[in-house]
Amino acid sequence: DAKTTQPNSMESNEEEPVHLPCNHSTISGTDYIHWYRQLPSQGPEYVIHGLTSNVNNRMASLAIAEDRKSSTLILHRATLRDAAVYYCILRDIINTNAGKSTFGDGTTLTVKP
Amino acid sequence: NAGVTQTPKFRILKIGQSMTLQCAQDMNHNYMYWYRQDPGMGLKLIYYSVGAGITDKGEVPNGYNVSRSTTEDFPLRLELAAPSQTSVYFCASSGTGGASRTDTQYFGPGTRLTVL
Repeated sequence: DAKTTQPNSMESNEEEPVHLPCNHSTISGTDYIHWYRQLPSQGPEYVIHGLTSNVNNRMASLAIAEDRKSSTLILHRATLRDAAVYYCILRDIINTNAGKSTFGDGTTLTVKP
Repeated sequence: NAGVTQTPKFRILKIGQSMTLQCAQDMNHNYMYWYRQDPGMGLKLIYYSVGAGITDKGEVPNGYNVSRSTTEDFPLRLELAAPSQTSVYFCASSGTGGASRTDTQYFGPGTRLTVL
């Protein structure tokens, strides 16, 4: 299974943009890049995902490198509620893999007021 | 929709006891998953299911058993509890197991288990 590498922790100031990096150098052509976040004492929640093109939704933007070996989750204006652990995972669209994903330890984002 | 629900929220077990963690989803999802999360760590896949009657092992299946008799329910059984099973357990579901470009996983709130 392809693995991802993320920094252990990052800090941001409130109202400023945050760029969370993820490396996935062994990604396969059928892997989607997914981002989830886990607020304290809660289960993970979906943030965004993409395959090749950059993606935007109401929560964040996802920038994917041209070679797909890395991606960046962008929070345009961090708020205190964005303080969480952010996981970058790969999900294979081949049905036989059943969407099994490997969650690394993620990046703990601290937002300072 | 309630989404993914888990019971109980908390439980303390003695070494050697057994228990079943319950998980249910009301989204008619075929795929369901059990993860465990140790303090300060990421999630590790215990077991998963691709539909009623079909289950398979994940990364860390030892000490656990599962069954999937209905689409909605996916209970996780712990036999002979050990301190190493102290963890937070999350159940998740997805519609197509990643086979659709829109597919994502939905997680329950977790069960915090302590084995003493």
